[in-house]
Amino acid sequence: EAGVTQFPSHSVIEKGQTVTLRCDPISGHDNLYWYRRVMGKEIKFLLHFVKESKQDESGMPNNRFLAERTGGTYSTLKVQPAELEDSGVYFCASSQVVTGEQYFGPGTRLTVT
Amino acid sequence: GENVEQHPSTLSVQEGDSAVIKCTYSDSASNYFPWYKQELGKRPQLIIDIRSNVGEKKDQRIAVTLNKTAKHFSLHITETQPEDSAVYFCAASKGAGGTSYGKLTFGQGTILTVHP
Repeated sequence: EAGVTQFPSHSVIEKGQTVTLRCDPISGHDNLYWYRRVMGKEIKFLLHFVKESKQDESGMPNNRFLAERTGGTYSTLKVQPAELEDSGVYFCASSQVVTGEQYFGPGTRLTVT
Repeated sequence: GENVEQHPSTLSVQEGDSAVIKCTYSDSASNYFPWYKQELGKRPQLIIDIRSNVGEKKDQRIAVTLNKTAKHFSLHITETQPEDSAVYFCAASKGAGGTSYGKLTFGQGTILTVHP
């Protein structure tokens, strides 16, 4: 069974530019989560999809972040325009509805210069 | 909202010793407590978890204990090996049977170093 995959693995952009991150969850996992780890600190929640619906977006820092999950499969996270403080590693995780066990992707390291 | 505190932030042990990492949580409704291991440059890996209806769970050299009354849970690693060196994160979540579990709230992480 393939694990959670994320693309790209690393992105370097200038302040003010736009970046789109992609996550492909484990097949059959209806739950999809986005998290971010900044500068060696704790991993912080951004938002949670159940299928194509946003269940919880309380962790989204501001309206420069837009997440979508078309058709309840893969998800994208767009940052527009990017700011310096957006730098960090963005993780995606997926889980089945009942068990709650979240499996993480390898992350996208975003560097905003 | 939920708040998870994790201690210590760094832990250094000799190979073969035991290591203990402790976490406390604030939301009494939390009922799922996973532990993740993250090696440098790799994804967080779920290593063990415990649910609120269980007080202890063991898997080979690792074990987790949960005290619901005190709202704290701990990770115990016995007979540590150099390959156990990594950052360990505790987390808490809540959900009800048949519905989706929500977000994980993570502790700050513990850098474990096992010296050969």
